[in-house]
Amino acid sequence: TQLLEQSPQFLSIQEGENLTVYCNSSSVFSSLQWYRQEPGEGPVLLVTVVTGGEVKKLKRLTFQFGDARKDSSLHITAAQPGDTGLYLCAAVTDSWGKFQFGAGTQVVVTP
Amino acid sequence: EAQVTQNPRYLITVTGKKLTVTCSQNMNHEYMSWYRQDPGLGLRQIYYSMNVEVTDKGDVPEGYKVSRKEKRNFPLILESPSPNQTSLYFCASSPYRQLPAYGYTFGSGTRLTVV
Repeated sequence: TQLLEQSPQFLSIQEGENLTVYCNSSSVFSSLQWYRQEPGEGPVLLVTVVTGGEVKKLKRLTFQFGDARKDSSLHITAAQPGDTGLYLCAAVTDSWGKFQFGAGTQVVVTP
Repeated sequence: EAQVTQNPRYLITVTGKKLTVTCSQNMNHEYMSWYRQDPGLGLRQIYYSMNVEVTDKGDVPEGYKVSRKEKRNFPLILESPSPNQTSLYFCASSPYRQLPAYGYTFGSGTRLTVV
């Protein structure tokens, strides 16, 4: 069962454009994380959001946690080819430490 | 350098031949986990361990075994591999109490092909 639904699955844009990736669930999470994965490598943590309504910025990346802590978005401003990668959201889904990922959004930024 | 080391990076094997993928971390993390990654299905948790001698099943544990005899090592064992276990495997670790905030450190992955 995929608790975390990501959309879109694939996004191809030109350098300089903006994009938004979504991570949705019917469950409430105490925190949610975003990772980026490049080909041939493991995912790398970008950010953790904890508080409902929280907004975090990492250079041109803006992360938002929904007020109800069920969803999150990642917005990239003026995308660059270096932003190309698989973006994954993830969260702890039970009290024993089970940790689940969304299926990911593949972002391709062409020069 | 703080890291999670998996070996091998690539492995081709035949159906039924037992294999072990090793995972070691040098960060003194309590929590370790194995994931497999398949196109369209994302990362699915196989097993996780909250500390030495404490392991539990993730979402897709069938056909896999793990052990956690030492804090730093968490090997993944396929007793009788089958072609549907062809996948990209990742080991990851985290300080247990801080997993929701700290996140995972991942290894570089093991691409396994079972023919």
